[in-house]
Amino acid sequence: AQTVTQSQPEMSVQEAETVTLSCTYDTSESNYYLFWYKQPPSRQMILVIRQEAYKQQNATENRFSVNFQKAAKSFSLKISDSQLGDTAMYFCAFMKYNNNDMRFGAGTRLTVKP
Amino acid sequence: GAVVSQHPSWVICKSGTSVKIECRSLDFQATTMFWYRQFPKQSLMLMATSNEGSKATYEQGVEKDKFLINHASLTLSTLTVTSAHPEDSSFYICSARGQGLNEQFFGPGTRLTVL
Repeated sequence: AQTVTQSQPEMSVQEAETVTLSCTYDTSESNYYLFWYKQPPSRQMILVIRQEAYKQQNATENRFSVNFQKAAKSFSLKISDSQLGDTAMYFCAFMKYNNNDMRFGAGTRLTVKP
Repeated sequence: GAVVSQHPSWVICKSGTSVKIECRSLDFQATTMFWYRQFPKQSLMLMATSNEGSKATYEQGVEKDKFLINHASLTLSTLTVTSAHPEDSSFYICSARGQGLNEQFFGPGTRLTVL
């Protein structure tokens, strides 16, 4: 079974600074997807960024980028120029290729301070 | 992007009654739908996976007679919490995945409070 570990229950960052959220996972699969989701106080799950395991290039979406280390099974999220609206729970998730099963980490609560 | 709706957004019911939650994919056909449960300050826990027209597959520890799931069409899945009790109070989230789509699209969630 796949497990996803987020070792930072809470983090904070000053507005405009950069913060990195950690995620590690355990799998024997070679093809899979990794995701970072944001859950603001409204509790709507919002996809932040997605990475396909067969792609070596790290995914980037504007201020959000990942550091995907397949051999180390690590998938960290970097948020640059943090904004107050980035305050939320962030969940790392793993999904097998061509399989519906998605597993979530425990989440990291990020607070952006003015 | 693909949109998933849930109804109701919140519901309060008396202990012993049954509650139905609807999950709809608005602009795509959802071949697979998922139901999650989320307790306060915790992660999403998968309850069951349903494919259109077939019985749902429940995760270990989830009572299938307690949480009835129906996925009768490619755009609608329902979760019925039967004989609800206070311990069933939680936030329930559905998601949907369409043919050829390599991600799940999440509904806004339903907050269930059982008195």
